[in-house]
Amino acid sequence: QFHLEESGPGLVKPSETLSLTCTVSGGSITSESCYWGWIRQSPGKGLEWVGTIYYSGTTYYNPSLKSRLTISLDTSNNQFSLRLNSVTAADTAVYYCVRRTPESDYDNSGYRNYYYHVDVWGKGTSVIVSS
Amino acid sequence: EIVLTQSPGTLSLSPGERATLSCRASQSVNSRLFAWYQQKPGQAPRLLIYGASSRATGIPDRFSGSGSGTDFTLTISRLEPGDFAVYYCHQYGSSPETFGQGTKVEIK
Repeated sequence: QFHLEESGPGLVKPSETLSLTCTVSGGSITSESCYWGWIRQSPGKGLEWVGTIYYSGTTYYNPSLKSRLTISLDTSNNQFSLRLNSVTAADTAVYYCVRRTPESDYDNSGYRNYYYHVDVWGKGTSVIVSS
Repeated sequence: EIVLTQSPGTLSLSPGERATLSCRASQSVNSRLFAWYQQKPGQAPRLLIYGASSRATGIPDRFSGSGSGTDFTLTISRLEPGDFAVYYCHQYGSSPETFGQGTKVEIK
């Protein structure tokens, strides 16, 4: 059974870089059938999609964070990571790493479409941005 | 950005009652790319429904999802004590993905 666990510092100073790692157990992050990603939750903004990565390294970022964000894979350790530069108090949140699993159907032309829903969440790690 | 508005903000019901939660989108959403989650205090969200109406693994059939376009509904047919929690809707078909602000189902 897949298990995801976040790790990283709980306190980051303003203007510095937030780095988090998600360790995946119970399966490989190089599986062609899954995407991986980050979602954060704060009292002010609620749940917010951060970004997603595929085993090939293809990434999808929230446009509001794109200029500061990097999500990457570490296949040798079965981990993926988040780096967010130039953090402010607005980046204070609980950060969750997630797995996305596909379902599929066929359209009228016989093309197979895939839809990736978030089905597994880590427990979350709290990050506070403060001096 | 697609804004998801959930209503009501809080639903006060008794165990055994039926709960009907609404999520309205500011633009049409592909129903194959729409989900509902349950979150209890101190825990991560848990997937209940994906593709607007498909129950996730292990989710009891008292939970059902419906809807299309801009209007989606999560129904809990008979509330059990463990169902009192906050529920969120999520669209993942349009970037950026967005979530509703949540509906709290509390014990009356």
